[in-house]
Amino acid sequence: KQEVTQIPAALSVPEGENLVLNCSFTDSAIYNLQWFRQDPGKGLTSLLLIQSSQREQTSGRLNASLDKSSGRSTLYIAASQPGDSATYLCAAGDNFNKFYFGSGTKLNVKP
Amino acid sequence: GAGVSQSPSNKVTEKGKDVELRCDPISGHTALYWYRQRLGQGLEFLIYFQGNSAPDKSGLPSDRFSAERTGESVSTLTIQRTQQEDSAVYLCASSLQAQAGNTIYFGEGSWLTVV
Repeated sequence: KQEVTQIPAALSVPEGENLVLNCSFTDSAIYNLQWFRQDPGKGLTSLLLIQSSQREQTSGRLNASLDKSSGRSTLYIAASQPGDSATYLCAAGDNFNKFYFGSGTKLNVKP
Repeated sequence: GAGVSQSPSNKVTEKGKDVELRCDPISGHTALYWYRQRLGQGLEFLIYFQGNSAPDKSGLPSDRFSAERTGESVSTLTIQRTQQEDSAVYLCASSLQAQAGNTIYFGEGSWLTVV
């Protein structure tokens, strides 16, 4: 069974810092890797989806990389802002669009 | 509707009672998924439906959990004889097809507290 681990569990940084969130998965036979944002009391918002054949995806200040062979993905956030404070979830997708989630990294960006 | 709709948003129930949680997917989405998220943890897959095919129930934690879906519309997740460990957020998601690459949309969840 796919196991997804995220490090660190929580992170607190001052506004403006660049930061990296880490994700690892045990089964490299994934179809895609997706990063989600979760705000308290809200559903999940997809941030970036990397197909298994891709190495990275970028959207604005966010960049996600995927190394399928080593079972790792990172989410890089540039010039962090207080509005980035949320829980970030990494999820490995199978061919039926089912996702296996990590426990998340809770990010706090201090003004 | 515009997004995935779930009800109730909050439910407090006594141990041993049955509960039903409802999910209304985005119109036209043939795939519907249920996940559970315990406090401080990631989402656990429970079950998914794809059109009129037999559902994938591989994530249901016990026979107290069941789900139904009528055609390609509303789904109901039922938990019988609730236990305290069932306290969690139950999230529903839908996509056009149950196939990798289809954008998945999540509802805001149903918060269940068993006392």
